[in-house]
Amino acid sequence: EAGVTQSPTHLIKTRGQQATLRCSPISGHTSVYWYQQALGLGLQFLLWYDEGEERNRGNFPPRFSGRQFPNYSSELNVNALELEDSALYLCASSLEGLVFSYNEQFFGPGTRLTVL
Amino acid sequence: SQQGEEDPQALSIQEGENATMNCSYKTSINNLQWYRQNSGRGLVHLILIRSNEREKHSGRLRVTLDTSKKSSSLLITASRAADTASYFCATDKFSGANNLFFGTGTRLTVIP
Repeated sequence: EAGVTQSPTHLIKTRGQQATLRCSPISGHTSVYWYQQALGLGLQFLLWYDEGEERNRGNFPPRFSGRQFPNYSSELNVNALELEDSALYLCASSLEGLVFSYNEQFFGPGTRLTVL
Repeated sequence: SQQGEEDPQALSIQEGENATMNCSYKTSINNLQWYRQNSGRGLVHLILIRSNEREKHSGRLRVTLDTSKKSSSLLITASRAADTASYFCATDKFSGANNLFFGTGTRLTVIP
């Protein structure tokens, strides 16, 4: 069974540009999560999508946005890039998000975004 | 904000020794999990322990959870060079939100 895939592996942008990161969940998983791992800040939750809807959002500015497509794949868009957006962006997927329960999240290899 | 903190930040041991990492968290949790990350790559899920469990084993891994102290520990027995990685604890809450809150991580180096 294929795991979570992310593309591209590496992305280099300049300040002010926009970046688009993509994630394909494990087949059968409907929930997709995005996390940012910046140097010195650890892993921080960005966004959670389930069944095409944004379910929860971390403490990030609105220029971080995304969407989930009917096939449950997801895009993360970062507008007006800043130097501090340089980080490893990890996507995870799980079975349907259950309220007051939990399904294990499986992580992809990540996209390394570098903002110059 | 980070939910958890791990201790120590870095740990270096000889192959064959046991490695113990600790995680403390701040608020009530639903589950606590441990993940491994090799060289800044994706996370690999190791083990999940629910808030009503106190200890769990998986192969060479032993996890304990003390909800009264809001802490957990991960023990890796008979360590191998391949265990060299960063280890993170992650918690989720009873909030209906499935996102994970990660600790700061412990960098484990196993010397052959």
